[in-house]
Amino acid sequence: DAGVTQSPTHLIKTRGQQVTLRCSPKSGHDTVSWYQQALGQGPQFIFQYYEEEERQRGNFPDRFSGHQFPNYSSELNVNALLLGDSALYLCASSLEVAAGVSYEQYFGPGTRLTVT
Amino acid sequence: GENVEQHPSTLSVQEGDSAVIKCTYSDSASNYFPWYKQELGKRPQLIIDIRSNVGEKKDQRIAVTLNKTAKHFSLHITETQPEDSAVYFCAARAYTGTASKLTFGTGTRLQVTL
Repeated sequence: DAGVTQSPTHLIKTRGQQVTLRCSPKSGHDTVSWYQQALGQGPQFIFQYYEEEERQRGNFPDRFSGHQFPNYSSELNVNALLLGDSALYLCASSLEVAAGVSYEQYFGPGTRLTVT
Repeated sequence: GENVEQHPSTLSVQEGDSAVIKCTYSDSASNYFPWYKQELGKRPQLIIDIRSNVGEKKDQRIAVTLNKTAKHFSLHITETQPEDSAVYFCAARAYTGTASKLTFGTGTRLQVTL
């Protein structure tokens, strides 16, 4: 079963640096959403990609950007890292069943980012 | 935007008892409500979901109920087992016309004791 995969598993960066996280969606899925999960909290929506375009964005600054490739995989980029960016970054994939409508989202294992 | 509140934050039950977790949402346009189970250090796993045209859905020991009028939905786990111990998150999805995003609750830590 080709589930959602993410890389790397763990990452340690210094304040001010930039980071790129990667996600491959579940086989057959075309929509990728990114979430930030701080310790002890629920996932917070960052943005969603469909057909290589950012379709919706949560309350995150422009330092957070992304990309989706023709094979539906996606990247999350964070510039000028802050200590508060330390979190688990989750990617979730889904299949669009109608314009803008998708249901089951399946999560990847996440990337644990630590900013020192 | 959507706001999802979840209660309780922690829940301890004895093996074999039932557990109930409740969530409320604010956006009346929300029409899809999934529940996720997250074990320590692992990814959230979708365990059950319900759409707004249905009032109840059951899958073995797990059931979810939805009250659209009151804007709340609940997860019911019967005959709890130690492997049910985890953090459970509810979520609500509203379709904005161009996309749909999930808003999560703050989670319930369920502990099933022997």
